[in-house]
Amino acid sequence: EVQLVESGGGSVQPGGSLRLSCAASGFTFSYYNMYWVRQAPGKGLEWISYINGKNTATFYADSVKGRFTISRDNAKNSLYLQMNSLRAEDTAVYYCARDLSGCYSIDHWGQGTPVTVSS
Amino acid sequence: DIVMTQTPLSSPVTLGQPASISCRSSQSLVYSDGNTYLSWLQQRPGQPPRLLIYKVSNRFSGVPDRFSGSGAGTDFTLKISRVEAEDVGVYYCMQATQFPWTFGQGTKVEIK
Repeated sequence: EVQLVESGGGSVQPGGSLRLSCAASGFTFSYYNMYWVRQAPGKGLEWISYINGKNTATFYADSVKGRFTISRDNAKNSLYLQMNSLRAEDTAVYYCARDLSGCYSIDHWGQGTPVTVSS
Repeated sequence: DIVMTQTPLSSPVTLGQPASISCRSSQSLVYSDGNTYLSWLQQRPGQPPRLLIYKVSNRFSGVPDRFSGSGAGTDFTLKISRVEAEDVGVYYCMQATQFPWTFGQGTKVEIK
């Protein structure tokens, strides 16, 4: 069974940093592109980052470019999101998500980890 | 960025009756390989999203056949043939033809 379990969320002051982790199991992690998607309280979904299976390509939404860094450790079956210079508008539930291989979609989502940026 | 616009934003439906959600993109979603990367996701209250439909009309594994997707180019539709109580939630279209991937605003389906 595919499982994605996020951790690392919490409360942080504006300008602070957090590192989110996503532990993957139930599939060959290195074969899959991975994503981070967030959802602000009461709002819709926002795609924020992509990394390919080989760890050679990344993409970011403009809203986080230059502040967030996606990475992965295929030996540890883990995905990460380093978030720096956090702003109030980054407050959201952050989901780790797996690519539907070859079909440019998302077939599995974690339960999400909440991040609150507030003074 | 490609803007995805869903209508309606709220859809009260009677159990057993059909429901339809439209999604329009600000530019064609046909990719250079000829495929159209438009998906539909369902988010039940308090849950992460769940994939229903990918590449316009392909039902994902385990999704009931009362859900169907159609459309082409910039206009797409998700139909629920007979709404059941478990279908309550918010439905999103998502384009993956071009980075950044973008979602529609969401359509809330509720029972009358």
